[in-house]
Amino acid sequence: AQRVTQPEKLLSVFKGAPVELKCNYSYSGSPELFWYVQYSRQRLQLLLRHISRESIKGFTADLNKGETSFHLKKPFAQEEDSAMYYCALSGAGQNFVFGPGTRLSVLP
Amino acid sequence: DTGVSQNPRHKITKRGQNVTFRCDPISEHNRLYWYRQTLGQGPEFLTYFQNEAQLEKSRLLSDRFSAERPKGSFSTLEIQRTEQGDSAMYLCASSLAGGGLDEQFFGPGTRLTVL
Repeated sequence: AQRVTQPEKLLSVFKGAPVELKCNYSYSGSPELFWYVQYSRQRLQLLLRHISRESIKGFTADLNKGETSFHLKKPFAQEEDSAMYYCALSGAGQNFVFGPGTRLSVLP
Repeated sequence: DTGVSQNPRHKITKRGQNVTFRCDPISEHNRLYWYRQTLGQGPEFLTYFQNEAQLEKSRLLSDRFSAERPKGSFSTLEIQRTEQGDSAMYLCASSLAGGGLDEQFFGPGTRLTVL
């Protein structure tokens, strides 16, 4: 069975501090992992996916198959990063499984 | 085309009534997804279409739920005999399949309240 966990419901950091949003998954095959973000009063949107190995808005995420993790990191948080972040997994087919989400609050 | 649209944005109904939601995807997108999201949870996959074919359906989806995409464009999600537990945000997303890297674009959602 596919499962995604995000242990922190809320994460508060000060502006300029590093941030790490944790994501762990369980899946027996080779998953595709994503991070989605929802800013206040906006739609859910894709932030990045592991297969692209890219940095978006200063965020990066590395897939660690040994630890079954896909943590999202940014070295210097900005106030505009405050949002709800969801980790998601896609296994076989198009059945996407989302985690419960972490609300990131970047304090001035 | 301003993205995925969903109607209505809000729906309040009484227990036992049927409701139908509509999703209009981005015009060239051939994949369409329905999700349900309750408070404090991430989106939960319900079903997925490629063109007009419904290719996957969550095992969690009750028989009271049915979705269609008759011409491969817009889709409808119907809930029959609604229950209070059906109260949630219903999200639609669409994507353009190709190369295995299709990105899902989400609509604003329809918030259902069952009294």
